[in-house]
Amino acid sequence: DQQVKQNSPSLSVQEGRISILNCDYTNSMFDYFLWYKKYPAEGPTFLISISSIKDKNEDGRFTVFLNKSAKHLSLHIVPSQPGDSAVYFCAASEINTDKLIFGTGTRLQVFP
Amino acid sequence: KAGVTQTPRYLIKTRGQQVTLSCSPISGHRSVSWYQQTPGQGLQFLFEYFSETQRNKGNFPGRFSGRQFSNSRSEMNVSTLELGDSALYLCASKKQGLAGGDTQYFGPGTRLTVL
Repeated sequence: DQQVKQNSPSLSVQEGRISILNCDYTNSMFDYFLWYKKYPAEGPTFLISISSIKDKNEDGRFTVFLNKSAKHLSLHIVPSQPGDSAVYFCAASEINTDKLIFGTGTRLQVFP
Repeated sequence: KAGVTQTPRYLIKTRGQQVTLSCSPISGHRSVSWYQQTPGQGLQFLFEYFSETQRNKGNFPGRFSGRQFSNSRSEMNVSTLELGDSALYLCASKKQGLAGGDTQYFGPGTRLTVL
């Protein structure tokens, strides 16, 4: 049972435009959500996180939105840059656990 | 501040052998978690250690084990290797190891190939 889902395996965006990556979850016990960026054969790099008590968190070009009623979160990257091209994973954890449940990833390609 | 380090970066073993992977967390971090990444299963949680105690465990067979030392460094061991154990093994550390709300930072991973 896939508790965290990223239904779009890939996304292609023009440089300067907005990239929107989506993630859905099924477990209502998740209380902390994170986005990671990953290159092949490397470890995930932390981008941004959000607690379930918030609905938005912003850090520079990255903004994460959380809609608890819909069990949906999204990552907005504005403006998109070619260096943003990578695989993006959303992850979630339950209260009182360090176990991260990852989505399957979305490959973002930003073209000039 | 140095990041999470993992050794070795690459490893080739044959079926039936065992392997030990090492992870040094970020200084001051006391929680270490291990994950396996494969093309078919994605990123999956193996186990988590805090203060030398295993606190959480994923759905992996007993061939996968780990431990944590008093300096928070951690090792994971896989015995009787199978071809399906070929994967990128990732270690992550976080500061508190308590309730959620703290970020896990990942190392570069160890690429294990089983022949």
